[in-house]
Amino acid sequence: QVQLVESGGGLVKPGGSLRLSCAASGFTFSDYYMSWIRQAPGKGLEWVSYISSSGSTIYYADSVKGRFTISRDNAKNSLYLQMNSLRAEDTAVYYCARDGGTYSLDYWGQGTLVTVSS
Amino acid sequence: DIQMTQSPSSLSASVGDRVTITCRASQGISNYLAWYQQKPGKVPKLLIYAASTLQSGVPSRFSGSGSGTDFTLTISSLQPEDVATYYCQKYNSAPFTFGPGTKVDIK
Repeated sequence: QVQLVESGGGLVKPGGSLRLSCAASGFTFSDYYMSWIRQAPGKGLEWVSYISSSGSTIYYADSVKGRFTISRDNAKNSLYLQMNSLRAEDTAVYYCARDGGTYSLDYWGQGTLVTVSS
Repeated sequence: DIQMTQSPSSLSASVGDRVTITCRASQGISNYLAWYQQKPGKVPKLLIYAASTLQSGVPSRFSGSGSGTDFTLTISSLQPEDVATYYCQKYNSAPFTFGPGTKVDIK
């Protein structure tokens, strides 16, 4: 069965960096586009970034452009989000999700919490 | 960028009621619209894609309609397990913005 497992979250000071990982299993990872979505405590969903199956096409939300970098390693069935220059407003649960090829996100991981605080 | 709005922001209805949630895009997005359900403390779950196609395993009391700028999610007979926040998401082009959500609970 499809599984997405995020890791790498934690407490970081403003201005710091963190790298999130998402380990995929149960499907052919290299065939699917992937996204990162975040949810601040008590708030709604915010789409963060998207990467095509080959990694050749990447998009970012304006709120993270220039600070976050999405990447993938299809040989390791893994998705990554490098987060630099972190701000308090980046505090959120970060989910990785699969684009099911139907213009929607059909599988989501359990999420990893990132807290940016001094 | 295209903005997504939802109405109402919250609603309370009785078990068995028909519930309708509206999602509006500031520009046309054809039928590139998905709906998600997020129960309290849980991960979002895909309900509907392409505006009206029910995801496998989703109960048939859920339905979606619309095209262009105006979309609706309907629960034909509200059940206690439908208590959740519902989000729409545009998927025609980046940014793949979510709506602000509609919180549904039982009266």
